[in-house]
Amino acid sequence: KNQVEQSPQSLIILEGKNCTLQCNYTVSPFSNLRWYKQDTGRGPVSLTIMTFSENTKSNGRYTATLDADTKQSSLHITASQLSDSASYICVVSGNSGNTPLVFGKGTRLSVIA
Amino acid sequence: NAGVTQTPKFRILKIGQSMTLQCTQDMNHNYMYWYRQDPGMGLKLIYYSVGAGITDKGEVPNGYNVSRSTTEDFPLRLELAAPSQTSVYFCASSYNGNTIYFGEGSWLTVV
Repeated sequence: KNQVEQSPQSLIILEGKNCTLQCNYTVSPFSNLRWYKQDTGRGPVSLTIMTFSENTKSNGRYTATLDADTKQSSLHITASQLSDSASYICVVSGNSGNTPLVFGKGTRLSVIA
Repeated sequence: NAGVTQTPKFRILKIGQSMTLQCTQDMNHNYMYWYRQDPGMGLKLIYYSVGAGITDKGEVPNGYNVSRSTTEDFPLRLELAAPSQTSVYFCASSYNGNTIYFGEGSWLTVV
C-alpha cells in the first residue's frame, strides 16, 4: 500500500533554532517527492520538488534531502522564524504527470519566542 | 495574481441539502483537482481533470460530482450532504502535474 509517514507529528522549537522533519514513504514506483508548507487556515504552498536523481535541494532557509534507496526524505529548517510556524506536508508522486499524489499527515511546527 | 480562487470560504449545510463549491484559476492550467482535508489526516483526492471536458475520480469520489466545461472552472457538487462530508475542501491546479497551486480552502460543516 502506498503510504507516506511523517515524524514527528508536532514540534515546538525556540526562534533561531534549527530543526529537521522526517518523511518515510512506501510509494512505488517513485516519481518525485514534494514538501509543502501549510499555514493555519490557508492552502498548502510548494517548497520543493525532488526527483529520483536529486539528493539535496534548497529554498532559502529550507533544505530538503532525499534518499531514494531508503525511501526517506528530510526537511531542514535553519535559523527558524516565528513565521515558520505551520504544518509541513510531505507528498510523494508514484507516477509522472497528473495521477493522484500520496499526502502525509504533516508535521505541525510551532516556533516560539 | 489571483491564482486559484475558491468560494465560498465557509458554509454550513443541513443533512440532505446540496451545494456547489466553485473553483476558478487564471493561470491557464490544464490540470485541476479537488481535495478534502480532514483533521489530522493527509489530503485526499476527490476528483481531478486533465483538461476541459475530461474528469476522473480520485480516491474518495462518493457523494460528489464535478464538471469541467472550461479550462478555468472546476466546480464540485455535493448532491445530498452528509455529516461525513464535513471537511476542508481545497481546489488546486497545475500546468503539468508537477508544481500544484492550491486555493485557500472552503470550510464545510454538515449538520
